Amino acid sequence: AQSVTQLGSHVSVSEGALVLLRCNYSSSVPPYLFWYVQYPNQGLQLLLKYTTGATLVKGINGFEAEFKKSETSFHLTKPSAHMSDAAEYFCAVIRSSNTGKLIFGQGTTLQVKP
Amino acid sequence: DAGVTQSPTHLIKTRGQQVTLRCSPKSGHDTVSWYQQALGQGPQFIFQYYEEEERQRGNFPDRFSGHQFPNYSSELNVNALLLGDSALYLCASSSAGSNYGYTFGSGTRLTVV
Repeated sequence: AQSVTQLGSHVSVSEGALVLLRCNYSSSVPPYLFWYVQYPNQGLQLLLKYTTGATLVKGINGFEAEFKKSETSFHLTKPSAHMSDAAEYFCAVIRSSNTGKLIFGQGTTLQVKP
Repeated sequence: DAGVTQSPTHLIKTRGQQVTLRCSPKSGHDTVSWYQQALGQGPQFIFQYYEEEERQRGNFPDRFSGHQFPNYSSELNVNALLLGDSALYLCASSSAGSNYGYTFGSGTRLTVV
């Protein structure tokens, strides 16, 4: 069975500091991997996704993530946090053999301090 | 270009009642998936509809049912509501050949009292 683990339910950084949100997955077949952001009282917005090809994926708003198969990880990073980055972040996985059921992690709340 | 539209945005129901939530997919999308997001949790997959048929279902009881119409819009029905059904219900649309380009709506907040 697939699962997604996000390490740290809350992460707090100072404005301008590096953002690192951790995601590990378990999958018996090659996965497709996603990061979504959710602002209060809103739906999910796709930040980036990995399907095939280059393992370093660049997304919107300066975020990027690297697929590391040997570590079964897909950590999300941003070099310099902005106040507007404060939100809930979800890592998700789909089995490449699946018709499209997204499995989400529990989420990480990012707090950005001035 | 309108994205995914969900209605209503908020809803309050009493235990035992039935509820219908609606979703209009993004233009050009033909597949609709529904997710339940309890407070403080990640979304959980309920089911997915394509060509007016349920293509895949998550671990939800039969009280949860759905429908997809010829114009690709979809409804989620929940019967015999329980307090535990209180959640944000999200609809996501995609195109069958889109390489998993899901677009999510803003959700319907259901409160069961």
